[in-house]
Amino acid sequence: NAGVMQNPRHLVRRRGQEARLRCSPMKGHSHVYWYRQLPEEGLKFMVYLQKENIIDESGMPKERFSAEFPKEGPSILRIQQVVRGDSAAYFCASSPGGGYGYTFGSGTRLTVV
Amino acid sequence: QQQVKQSPQSLIVQKGGISIINCAYENTAFDYFPWYQQFPGKGPALLIAIRPDVSEKKEGRFTISFNKSAKQFSLHIMDSQPGDSATYFCAASIQGGSEKLVFGKGTKLTVNP
Repeated sequence: NAGVMQNPRHLVRRRGQEARLRCSPMKGHSHVYWYRQLPEEGLKFMVYLQKENIIDESGMPKERFSAEFPKEGPSILRIQQVVRGDSAAYFCASSPGGGYGYTFGSGTRLTVV
Repeated sequence: QQQVKQSPQSLIVQKGGISIINCAYENTAFDYFPWYQQFPGKGPALLIAIRPDVSEKKEGRFTISFNKSAKQFSLHIMDSQPGDSATYFCAASIQGGSEKLVFGKGTKLTVNP
């Protein structure tokens, strides 16, 4: 079991470009969560998805950010027109449901220059 | 009400000593309290978790103490080792709800040899 796979591990984007972060959950896990971690801060919840459904997006910024978890393929966190403040580590986690057994990936470190 | 307050921000202990990290919460609906360990460049890994129907849970050198009336919980690491040097996060969630974790800001633990 390869665990939660995130790619890329590091991503550099210029201001105004788009960033696409991918997350493949653990085998058998149908629930995916995205969190953002700023330097010296704890993780902040962004969005919770199940296959083809957004369950809770209360932590997502209203503009420029979107997430999907299609029937086939990885979950994608998309940030349009990135700004310097978007620089952070973005972590994906998956679980089989019920809020237990959360497993985090190693994260994508986004740097906006 | 959604905050989880964690202290101290950093902690230095000698090998063999006891490390104690404290967390406090406001939302009495929280019913699941995990602790995560994070090494640099890695995602958080679940260390130990507790539910409010028990006051203490022990796994090896790691113990969670839970005080429901005070809305506080703490992590004790007995016989601390240099390999325990990492950042520790407490978290809380409401099971059966959106399953999102609310994290504390983290404690950077350094265990000196």
